[in-house]
Amino acid sequence: QQKVQQSPESLIVPEGGMASLNCTSSDRNVDYFWWYRQHSGKSPKMLMSIFSNGEKEEGRFTVHLNKASLHTSLHIRDSQPSDSALYLCAASGGTGNTGKLIFGLGTTLQVQP
Amino acid sequence: DAAVTQKPRYLIKMKGQEAEMKCIPEKGHTAVFWYQQKQSKELKFLIYFQNQQPLDQIDMVKERFSAVCPSSSLCSLGIRTCEAEDSALYLCSSSPGGTQNTLYFGAGTRLSVL
Repeated sequence: QQKVQQSPESLIVPEGGMASLNCTSSDRNVDYFWWYRQHSGKSPKMLMSIFSNGEKEEGRFTVHLNKASLHTSLHIRDSQPSDSALYLCAASGGTGNTGKLIFGLGTTLQVQP
Repeated sequence: DAAVTQKPRYLIKMKGQEAEMKCIPEKGHTAVFWYQQKQSKELKFLIYFQNQQPLDQIDMVKERFSAVCPSSSLCSLGIRTCEAEDSALYLCSSSPGGTQNTLYFGAGTRLSVL
């Protein structure tokens, strides 16, 4: 069973619309969450990280974290065609945490012009 | 952006052959992670090095792979006997170390086993 679960599997939004992606960890030892973006044929690049309860905003991107439920969400407002990519949620934590990230299966976002 | 270099970009092997791929971590990064990605989806953790020492790896790596970091500026991942299921994108990443540091990924080596 995946320790990091993402939903939806795929998402289509119109240009200018809001995209909302979800991620939950089933591992109670998780402390930290990351969101990576991977464009087709490219390597993953870190988009945002969140380590504390609450919300963090960077430009058009907002990430939320609820540590009690181990749930994080990524929201992209005013979505652009260039945002079309695979969005990967990753988590790490627990005793002896090495910084190793466990990734979810990802959400494929398509922004239609 | 951090620069992690991987070579070669593409590798084609026949079933049963040996494969080797290399990674140059970002200068100053002490942690190196290898991941396997199939069908452009899930990144599967393979092995983790801290200061060139392997500290965590999955059973598959112990059984069929060889991985070393002979220096702080070079790591390699090898497959002793390639199988069709090994066809994937192998991604090397590095970080300064620590639990809150971002992993920076190289472009990957795409292995095809025929």
